Amino acid sequence: DSGVTQTPKHLITATGQRVTLRCSPRSGDLSVYWYQQSLDQGLQFLIQYYNGEERAKGNILERFSAQQFPDLHSELNLSSLELGDSALYFCASSTTGGPNEQFFGPGTRLTVL
Amino acid sequence: GQQLNQSPQSMFIQEGEDVSMNCTSSSIFNTWLWYKQDPGEGPVLLIALYKAGELTSNGRLTAQFGITRKDSFLNISASIPSDVGIYFCAGRKGGSEKLVFGKGTKLTVNP
Repeated sequence: DSGVTQTPKHLITATGQRVTLRCSPRSGDLSVYWYQQSLDQGLQFLIQYYNGEERAKGNILERFSAQQFPDLHSELNLSSLELGDSALYFCASSTTGGPNEQFFGPGTRLTVL
Repeated sequence: GQQLNQSPQSMFIQEGEDVSMNCTSSSIFNTWLWYKQDPGEGPVLLIALYKAGELTSNGRLTAQFGITRKDSFLNISASIPSDVGIYFCAGRKGGSEKLVFGKGTKLTVNP
């Protein structure tokens, strides 16, 4: 158990819908990272927040957004969902702003029908 | 986005055998990390490397940060059935916050 929690574990929805994925980092970790893992693309970095502020951006679509709240939990919002958005979404956390040692949550499996 | 070249893609070995996998890049990285992912779970950090030439062990696992800073290797000695999973390398360039991941090596261990 990495200490990072993610909810829900599974999510099934339809195209065009909007969903919110939630992540709670390890106690004391200030940085939260979001990744998308699909079969053909591997693990792709989406976005990082550090102590409530956006720190780095990766291959995140404009339909996706994230935020980190004062209690340090983070939410990833996915809107206007497409079939191709079906993937595993992972959250990771680390103590510092740098990504040297990230600890991953169990992931949310999103299925868009 | 950029990804690291990780090989082999998959390996089928007998229990007790040693395993080697590697990761290469056309760019220089300042940090190399190795993760293992079990089915339905998130990646778990195995080893972190911060210096060129560094050799670090974690039990039966040994990883090296290549001298050129463009590659890294992971060795597993005396494999056991619970070593089954997907092993990912990840690297971070100097001045970047982002981790870049390889596509993984899927390891199957036959008892």
